[in-house]
Amino acid sequence: NAGVTQTPKFQVLKTGQSMTLQCAQDMNHNSMYWYRQDPGMGLRLIYYSASEGTTDKGEVPNGYNVSRLNKREFSLRLESAAPSQTSVYFCASSVPGQGSNQPQHFGDGTRLSIL
Amino acid sequence: GNSVTQMEGPVTLSEEAFLTINCTYTATGYPSLFWYVQYPGEGLQLLLKATKADDKGSNKGFEATYRKETTSFHLEKGSVQVSDSAVYFCARISGNTGKLIFGQGTTLQVKP
Repeated sequence: NAGVTQTPKFQVLKTGQSMTLQCAQDMNHNSMYWYRQDPGMGLRLIYYSASEGTTDKGEVPNGYNVSRLNKREFSLRLESAAPSQTSVYFCASSVPGQGSNQPQHFGDGTRLSIL
Repeated sequence: GNSVTQMEGPVTLSEEAFLTINCTYTATGYPSLFWYVQYPGEGLQLLLKATKADDKGSNKGFEATYRKETTSFHLEKGSVQVSDSAVYFCARISGNTGKLIFGQGTTLQVKP
């Protein structure tokens, strides 16, 4: 019953370092999403992938890139980490979204600190 | 605009008290609405949903009714338990790709 799996769970980086956050889902979902969670701001969408082979910007894409490697995997990359990117990052997936009313399923998050 | 607004927390209640967490949304049309719960150190879990006006979602004693007249989806529970202590997020579907717009979250603390 894995669902959505994120790695790593915790990471500390220095300013300017790069890092890739990994996400995989085993529910055969077409759509995948990356969010960041900051105190008092709820979850904000960074990037999403409506289907394999496509990616689109969300609300806060600056400083990030994504790769939809295959149907299962959707990675988030920080090329040059900045302290403002200290946050908890969540990956989610859902059934295809045409007229969708289907919920998203979330991973347990990656807690990232940039010093 | 398109947004979701929740009542500010934290909300502190005694066990067995009645809970209401307010949520209002702005949107064109009638998007599906959700409540998610986040327990400490975990990801978000779907608590309940409603897909059209006047629908009532329910789960684990929690309920919320989709009110198009007031554009609201308030979360209620008749008798809270210590184990209900968590952060609760209201959300709505955005567009046709399954994207969600979240409220800022409301922290609930239930004391024995």
